[in-house]
Parts: sequence; C-alpha cells; structure tokens
Amino acid sequence: GENVEQHPSTLSVQEGDSAVIKCTYSDSASNYFPWYKQELGKRPQLIIDIRSNVGEKKDQRIAVTLNKTAKHFSLHITETQPEDSAVYFCAASPDTGNQFYFGTGTSLTVIP
Amino acid sequence: DGGITQSPKYLFRKEGQNVTLSCEQNLNHDAMYWYRQDPGQGLRLIYYSQIVNDFQKGDIAEGYSVSREKKESFPLTVTSAQKNPTAFYLCASSPRAGLAIGKTQYFGPGTRLLVL
Repeated sequence: GENVEQHPSTLSVQEGDSAVIKCTYSDSASNYFPWYKQELGKRPQLIIDIRSNVGEKKDQRIAVTLNKTAKHFSLHITETQPEDSAVYFCAASPDTGNQFYFGTGTSLTVIP
Repeated sequence: DGGITQSPKYLFRKEGQNVTLSCEQNLNHDAMYWYRQDPGQGLRLIYYSQIVNDFQKGDIAEGYSVSREKKESFPLTVTSAQKNPTAFYLCASSPRAGLAIGKTQYFGPGTRLLVL
C-alpha cells in the first residue's frame, strides 16, 4: 500500500518568515494530495490540495508544489502569522479508490 | 465541514463495556471513514466504507466494529476487546472516487473517549 512520510515533525519560525513542510509518497497511482491544518482539540481542516496533473497551486499565502517524478510534494506558507501555528498533515490518495494515507504531521509554531 | 457531525463530544467507558460513537453526514457523500488520533500522533485508519452495506478494515481495526446501513450514518463501536481505547476519534466523509468534482475528505468535530 501507500506510505506517506512527512518532515519535519516540528518547525519553529519567526513571524513573517516562510515555512516549508515536505512529504514523500511511494505509490505512483496516488494522484490527489490534500493538506490539512489541525488546531489543538479541533478537527483537521482542508487548506489546499493538488492533483497530479498540476505542478503547483497557490492560494494567497499558501502554496503547494508537486514533483511526480520524485514522488514528493511540499507545503509553503509565506509571511507566517501566529494564527498559522497548528499541526499540518499531508495526505495522498489514488484515483481508483477512496482511501487516504496521511503523514505523521508537522507541529508549526510561529513566534511573534 | 458543517455537514458532518459526531456525538457525543466526550465519552467515558468503563472496563468491559462496549460504547458506540455516532457519525452522521448530510453531504450526500458515498465514502465514510473512522480515524483514531493519539496525543501528538497522526491519523490512523480504523475502518472505511465506500458504499452502503460495505466496509473495509483499516490499519488498526482490532477491537472495533462498524456498520453502514444508511448512506448518512457510519457508527463506530469500541468493544471491550480494545484494551487501550483512550484517544480522539475522528469521522470523515468524501465523494465517490473518480468524480470530476474531486474527492476532498471532510472531518467531523471528533469524539474524545476516556476510560474510567
């Protein structure tokens, strides 16, 4: 089955700096890659997603890049703010099924 | 997200007791999922269902059971065979795979299960 690895597990940045979280996947059949943000005690919320026919997608301060050949995708947050502090999860899902495979999460702390 | 609900928010289980966690969605999604999240950990799949009356085991199904009698509902029972049930349980749903609209997975607010 699919195996998703996520790095780093913790990340601290100064307010205004950029943050990058990286994920790799193993199954070439995966073609949908969402990113979720989870605040303490809350449900994961989808923040951005990308499909395998696209190399990059941007939504204001958040962007995701995908390298299908290398089987890795990354989340980029620019101009970080304290409210960006949360745990971020990446996931991968194949087109042929409904199963989602999650990374182990990155705890991001933005220092004011 | 507002279309998927879980109850109760907190649940206490005694030794040897079975408890059932509720998950309901009004998003008309075909697929539903149960995940377990331990403190500081990622999401581990317990069970998932792609259509009514069908479900598959995930990575940690032992000690849990599910049913999918209605499209809107996917209850999870934590049985007495689950020796370490204390965790945050998240239910999710998504549209059917292959649809052009995509298959974004939406999560419910979660149920925190504690053992007395």
